[in-house]
Formats: sequence, C-alpha cells, structure tokens
Amino acid sequence: EVQLVESGGGLVQPGGSLRLSCAASGFTFSSYWMHWVRQAPGKGLVWVSRINSDGSSTSYADSVKGRFTISRDNAKNTLYLQMNSLRAEDTAVYYCATILTGFLWYFDLWGRGTLVTVSS
Amino acid sequence: AIWMTQSPSLLSASTGDRVTISCRMSQGISSYLAWYQQKPGKAPELLIYAASTLQSGVPSRFSGSGSGTDFTLTISCLQSEDFATYYCQQYYSFPLTFGQGTKVEIK
Repeated sequence: EVQLVESGGGLVQPGGSLRLSCAASGFTFSSYWMHWVRQAPGKGLVWVSRINSDGSSTSYADSVKGRFTISRDNAKNTLYLQMNSLRAEDTAVYYCATILTGFLWYFDLWGRGTLVTVSS
Repeated sequence: AIWMTQSPSLLSASTGDRVTISCRMSQGISSYLAWYQQKPGKAPELLIYAASTLQSGVPSRFSGSGSGTDFTLTISCLQSEDFATYYCQQYYSFPLTFGQGTKVEIK
C-alpha cells in the first residue's frame, strides 16, 4: 500500500526541539521530492519545507528558516524535520506530502499528520 | 511570495446546489493551481491540478477553471459528502502558498 506515516509529534516547551519522521512505503521513495506542510488548530494549510530526491537541495518558509532542518534517509525510506527553537506559533499538525504522478509541486499523497504542541 | 485571496471563507448551501469558490493570485501563475478538499481530522485530498484537470477518482461534478490570476472551483450538484473545507494552492513558485480555505456547510 502506498502511504506516508508521520511520527514524533508531542508536547514541547517554548525554545525546545523535536524531530518529526515520515515513513514512506509502497513507492520508490528515493525518486521523489518530499515536503512538510503544517496546519495550526482551526487554521489553513501552510507549506513549511521541501527536499529534492537525493537530499542535495532544500528550501524553507521564511517563518521556519534557520530553525527547522529537513532531511531524508533514502536507505530507510524516511523523511525528517528537525525543529529547534520552537515557538507557540509552531503548534500545528504537521503533514508530509509528495506528488507521485508528476514532477511538480502539488500533492497527491499525504500522511495523516502528527500534532506538535508548543506550550509551557 | 505569491499571495492568494480565496473567497468566500464560508459558504452555506443545500444538497443539489451549484457552488463556486474563487481564488485570486497576487501575480500571474499560468495554470499552476491545485484544489484540495479537507474533512475534519483528515489530511487534504487532491481534487484538481493544472487549474482544470480532474484528479483520478474525483467525481465529475467537480470542475476547475481559470488561468493567470483568477481561478474558480465549481461543484455542479452538491452532495452530502461534499460538505468540507476547500483550499487552492499555487505551485508556480516557492514558497508554495495556499488560500485561506472555504468551508462549505449545510444551509
């Protein structure tokens, strides 16, 4: 079955760190760009970061640049998001997503998401 | 960044209605626009890409139109399962951006 499964979310204090993982299965993970998209409670979707297929190129939203790092391990079929210096406004469900049917930047495969709560 | 204005934010409609949702860009994006449906507690699902191409498996009552800066999602005959929130997304350039969302609720 083609799927993405996020993990690693939880409650963290402001200023803390967390690493999210996204396990891919059912497709050739190493061939696809991967993205993180987040959604604060009751709010809309916000693109966070992307990484190319071999991990050599990344980009970030301005709101997380310098604090978050996207990476991947193609041998483990896993995408990561290292989140440092977390703020209350980082509280959100974090989704990993990709497109399997082309080489563009919309998303036809999403994970179910993992909730990150930043609070003291 | 390309900014998007999606309207309305809330749409009250009845089963069988024809509804339209608008998405306007701060600059031209050709046809690099996608539409998603999201239900509570679920991940978004792709409905339309390239402004007007229906994703495989999506019912034909959904359609998209537009190019440049103005885009529309139309649901021709609203069904009970269509009550959800809809988002547009531009993929013309990074950072990728989404509209604010349109919640379609039962009237």
